[in-house]
Amino acid sequence: DTGVSQNPRHKITKRGQNVTFRCDPISEHNRLYWYRQTLGQGPEFLTYFQNEAQLEKSRLLSDRFSAERPKGSFSTLEIQRTEQGDSAMYLCASSIPSGMGTGELFFGEGSRLTVL
Amino acid sequence: GQSLEQPSEVTAVEGAIVQINCTYQTSGFYGLSWYQQHDGGAPTFLSYNALDGLEETGRFSSFLSRSDSYGYLLLQELQMKDSASYFCAVRFPSSGGSYIPTFGRGTSLIVHP
Repeated sequence: DTGVSQNPRHKITKRGQNVTFRCDPISEHNRLYWYRQTLGQGPEFLTYFQNEAQLEKSRLLSDRFSAERPKGSFSTLEIQRTEQGDSAMYLCASSIPSGMGTGELFFGEGSRLTVL
Repeated sequence: GQSLEQPSEVTAVEGAIVQINCTYQTSGFYGLSWYQQHDGGAPTFLSYNALDGLEETGRFSSFLSRSDSYGYLLLQELQMKDSASYFCAVRFPSSGGSYIPTFGRGTSLIVHP
């Protein structure tokens, strides 16, 4: 079991640039979540996929953010025209269907974004 | 609305017992979970309560009272390595019909020698 993998682990960019993060979930997990976490705060929900379908998006997610999960495997999160307020840790998590257990989320190590 | 409240920081000494409380407000409920996160690390799952009562897993226990919208995480025989942030999380029903895990702001546990 290789766990949830995210890359890049760190990204430093200038304001206005676009960035893309990738998440490879645990292979048998059909649910995939993106969260954002800033210092001293809990993970904040961004979006959720079940297989390839994006079922939920946070109202906090601006139009500059887009996520995809082609073929229900890996997922990408793109931020266009980055702003300094986008600086955060972007966490990906995957899980099996909640009806089958605790709904435990398996998190990746995260992608840290710094916007200068 | 939907919200979770937990203390921002708790301190204790090695070998002691500490309790981290979590209260929540929600129009729906689908279980209370606890996660641990060390500095620079990923959150990792500790426990889950769907029904009222106490769940024990080694040195850690978690309690839920659905009528009080309240739960707690109990850590016994504290060790220095338990210094971390602890998050309660509840799966709230979303407008789209999914139950989305929503996290509290976290409690920083500092264990002193």
